[in-house]
Amino acid sequence: GQSLEQPSEVTAVEGAIVQINCTYQTSGFYGLSWYQQHDGGAPTFLSYNALDGLEETGRFSSFLSRSDSYGYLLLQELQMKDSASYFCAVRDTGGFKTIFGAGTRLFVKA
Amino acid sequence: DAGVIQSPRHEVTEMGQEVTLRCKPISGHNSLFWYRQTMMRGLELLIYFNNNVPIDDSGMPEDRFSAKMPNASFSTLKIQPSEPRDSAVYFCASSPLAGGYEQYFGPGTRLTVT
Repeated sequence: GQSLEQPSEVTAVEGAIVQINCTYQTSGFYGLSWYQQHDGGAPTFLSYNALDGLEETGRFSSFLSRSDSYGYLLLQELQMKDSASYFCAVRDTGGFKTIFGAGTRLFVKA
Repeated sequence: DAGVIQSPRHEVTEMGQEVTLRCKPISGHNSLFWYRQTMMRGLELLIYFNNNVPIDDSGMPEDRFSAKMPNASFSTLKIQPSEPRDSAVYFCASSPLAGGYEQYFGPGTRLTVT
């Protein structure tokens, strides 16, 4: 079967650093994407990792280890506006489709 | 540039009625996806088109659901007849890449079937 696992909720304080983990089990693998979704909004693309290592985009970084079937999203200098749900997604080579995890709800406290 | 456009934004209908959701992808994007999101089931891929051709419709729940993409700038998702369990937010997304690891989502259509 195919599955992605990520924590359901994470809470952190403003200004802190938070890491959201994602482990996956899929029939094929092309890369790991991350999306952000605010309540009532649509998912927004954040980052993509096809190769092992860390990709940095401003306050957000994403990491991938293909040997461990594991990745994470790192959010630095947390702001209240970062409170949202974060989804990891795997591009499956089998059908060239993207499979989304259940999402991690991040609560940022003052 | 305009993003992905979906209409209507909200739809309330009675059980048994036909519902048609519409999507205009970003110009130049050759992949289009229809998703359904609910609290219980999360974000589910219903169908994926590449160059207007349906590539994977394994996520379409049942025969009551159908999707078309007659040209590169328009797609529809139809539910006939609708049932209360179809109530959800339906998103359309497009991508410039086959398989779409970078997808751009529309604002969604919130469907309520009573």
